[in-house]
Formats: sequence, C-alpha cells, structure tokens
Amino acid sequence: DTGVSQDPRHKITKRGQNVTFRCDPISEHNRLYWYRQTLGQGPEFLTYFQNEAQLEKSRLLSDRFSAERPKGSFSTLEIQRTEQGDSAMYLCASGDVGREFSTGELFFGEGSRLTVL
Amino acid sequence: QKEVEQNSGPLSVPEGAIASLNCTYSDRGSQSFFWYRQYSGKSPELIMSIYSNGDKEDGRFTAQLNKASQYVSLLIRDSQPSDSATYLCAVKRVIFGTGTRLQVFP
Repeated sequence: DTGVSQDPRHKITKRGQNVTFRCDPISEHNRLYWYRQTLGQGPEFLTYFQNEAQLEKSRLLSDRFSAERPKGSFSTLEIQRTEQGDSAMYLCASGDVGREFSTGELFFGEGSRLTVL
Repeated sequence: QKEVEQNSGPLSVPEGAIASLNCTYSDRGSQSFFWYRQYSGKSPELIMSIYSNGDKEDGRFTAQLNKASQYVSLLIRDSQPSDSATYLCAVKRVIFGTGTRLQVFP
C-alpha cells in the first residue's frame, strides 16, 4: 500500500476555469476527508465521506465546490468558476474510523496545490 | 472565540529540553483529540490521539487531556532539532487549530 495519493500535485489555472482534483485513499479505508490549507493556517475542513456517502459538508463550502466518492473508492473534488481566493493546498486524508479495532488515525496525502491567476 | 485555539509561536527550546504545546477548544461535547506534526511544505502526520481525560504517553510524546477545562496539551521530552515543525491540534478530526511552530536549537 502506497498511502494516500493525490493528483495533480500542482495546478495553475485562470480565474473562471473549472478544476478537478482526485484522491486515491488507502484501500479499505471507510472514511475520506477533504481539507483546504493556506499558508500559516491549519487545515480547514471541507467535507467527508463514509464509504460512498457524503456525510458532512462545511457550512463555509461554496456551492461552486462539489465532491464525489463513487463506489466508496477514490474521490474527486471539483471547483467550478475558480476565484483567486480558491488558491490553496487541497488535502485529502483517509482513515479506518468507527470499526472494531480501528485506530481512527487519518493519513494525509501530499496535497494538490492550486494557484488561480 | 475560535473553535480550536493555539499559540502560533514560535516556541523556541534548546535541544534536550521539554517542549510544551497547548490547545484549547470551545465545544464541550468534543470526544476525540489529535496532535499532528507538519513540516514545512509537507502534509500533516499524526503524532497522537487522545480520547479520555488524563495522560497518554508514546515514546518521547505525552498528550494530556482535561475535558473540564477544555484543554489538551502535548509534551515533547528530550526535544531534537528534527522536532522543529508546526504542531497542529485537531478536534473531532475536522477542526484544526492554526498550529504552533516549534523551533529546537542545538
């Protein structure tokens, strides 16, 4: 198992364009989280999935953001009509949470850095 | 009031000393607490989780939780220069503090 993978690692786009990030979690992890982090700040929660179900979305999450986790495996995060304020590192984390003997630990991917010009 | 508060630092300690990192939280009903370490340009990695009041030790690290005071701390004994990083406190896996930058000097 190679850990949590995110793609692309870097994305530069022009304002108004759509971007999509992909996250491949550690296999068999039931939980998958998306966060956004800007310089000098802690990760900001965006949304999370339990298997294929999206259980929680941040109230701060604009309707330009959408996430999916089809079949409970990989996940995508799409940002429509990007704005300069969307520039950040987008982090994905997965974990085995709530099951008997699970540690509840989250493992983070290396992140996808978005720059909106 | 922020949901999770940490002193941004930097906290500077000499090599071999004990580093004490603190975190307070606002949701009294919180049940799970986590400390992450984040090196510059890297993603967070979990150091410890704690769910019950009291101390939890793992090697040079000790997490302390006091739910009545809504306070969680991380002690790093025998600090090493390689411990220099930002330490993030998280509550319920979804609410992170801004982190405390720790500098350990030789």
